[in-house]
Amino acid sequence: GQNIDQPTEMTATEGAIVQINCTYQTSGFNGLFWYQQHAGEAPTFLSYNVLDGLEEKGRFSSFLSRSKGYSYLLLKELQMKDSASYLCAVRAASGGSYIPTFGRGTSLIVHP
Amino acid sequence: DSGVTQTPKHLITATGQRVTLRCSPRSGDLSVYWYQQSLDQGLQFLIQYYNGEERAKGNILERFSAQQFPDLHSELNLSSLELGDSALYFCASSVVPGAGANVLTFGAGSRLTVL
Repeated sequence: GQNIDQPTEMTATEGAIVQINCTYQTSGFNGLFWYQQHAGEAPTFLSYNVLDGLEEKGRFSSFLSRSKGYSYLLLKELQMKDSASYLCAVRAASGGSYIPTFGRGTSLIVHP
Repeated sequence: DSGVTQTPKHLITATGQRVTLRCSPRSGDLSVYWYQQSLDQGLQFLIQYYNGEERAKGNILERFSAQQFPDLHSELNLSSLELGDSALYFCASSVVPGAGANVLTFGAGSRLTVL
């Protein structure tokens, strides 16, 4: 099985930078995804990492260290609309399939 | 609009009943995934189909079943409903069920309330 751990809740100020960490334990690692989910809505894709290093996409960046089983999502220039849950998902090979397993999510509250 | 269509958006029913949730994948996607999201469990993988065939199974109860039809739409059947089945049920689709940057695109979900 897989074990994915991320903080339950974080708060930050508008305009600031926040880092959301995700640690995982799995065998057959085959990629890590970050999704954003506003309350009651569908998760939407933010980033994908399969090799070690940093992937930057506008205000959002994601980092992966496979040897440490660790990833983080970095959000810069926070806006009120960034208040949402951020889901870390690890994909592993299992019986010929590749299914993302999601962590419980980190609820980010951005205040003025 | 993600391109993944789920119906109904909301459903209220009683314990012991049976419901069917429907999903149409994004155009061009061949693989469909069902996830259940409840407050205390997060997003839990239920089952995956690819081109009409079951591909992977997660923590899906025996009371639940699913299928993918030739036109690629999928249905999730939930029977003998219990209070604990109340949750958001998401369908997601991807081009193929493989590796690589094979991103899942989620529908808006079906909120099931069992009274």
